[in-house]
Amino acid sequence: AQTVTQSQPEMSVQEAETVTLSCTYDTSESDYYLFWYKQPPSRQMILVIRQEAYKQQNATENRFSVNFQKAAKSFSLKISDSQLGDAAMYFCAYGGAGNKLTFGGGTRVLVKP
Amino acid sequence: EAEVAQSPRYKITEKSQAVAFWCDPISGHATLYWYRQILGQGPELLVQFQDESVVDDSQLPKDRFSAERLKGVDSTLKIQPAELGDSAMYLCASSPVDRVGPESGYTFGSGTRLTVV
Repeated sequence: AQTVTQSQPEMSVQEAETVTLSCTYDTSESDYYLFWYKQPPSRQMILVIRQEAYKQQNATENRFSVNFQKAAKSFSLKISDSQLGDAAMYFCAYGGAGNKLTFGGGTRVLVKP
Repeated sequence: EAEVAQSPRYKITEKSQAVAFWCDPISGHATLYWYRQILGQGPELLVQFQDESVVDDSQLPKDRFSAERLKGVDSTLKIQPAELGDSAMYLCASSPVDRVGPESGYTFGSGTRLTVV
């Protein structure tokens, strides 16, 4: 079974600064995707960024980028130029066979004005 | 923008009572998922449907939980009888695909927060 671990329960960042969230996973599958989801206090999970395991190039979406280290099974998220609206729970997720997602425990991001 | 609809938004029920949640996925999405998210934790898969068929319900507590998607569109998740430990957020999600690929990933609904007293 796949497991996803987020070792940082909470991270604090100053507005306009950069914060990096860590995620490690374990799998024996060769074909999979990795995701970061954001869950604001209004609760709906929103997809932030997606990475295909077969691609070496790290995905980027505006201020969000990932550092994907396949051999180390590491998938970190960098939020640049942090904004107040970035405050939320962030979940790392693994997507494998059957398109089922396995989530980590989450990291709460606090943005200080 | 298409959304996954869920109702009710909040539900308070007494233990041993029955409770049901409803989900309407994005039109055309054949794959539907129910997840349970305990406060402070990540979501965990309860059941996966492909059209009207259950693909995976290995984590569904079948002694008290049931799920159906009769016409392959909307779905209902039921708990009977509810226990205190069932208090959680119940999330529904849908996807156009059931395998890893360029369309992997879900659209989630806003969830139903269940409190069992």
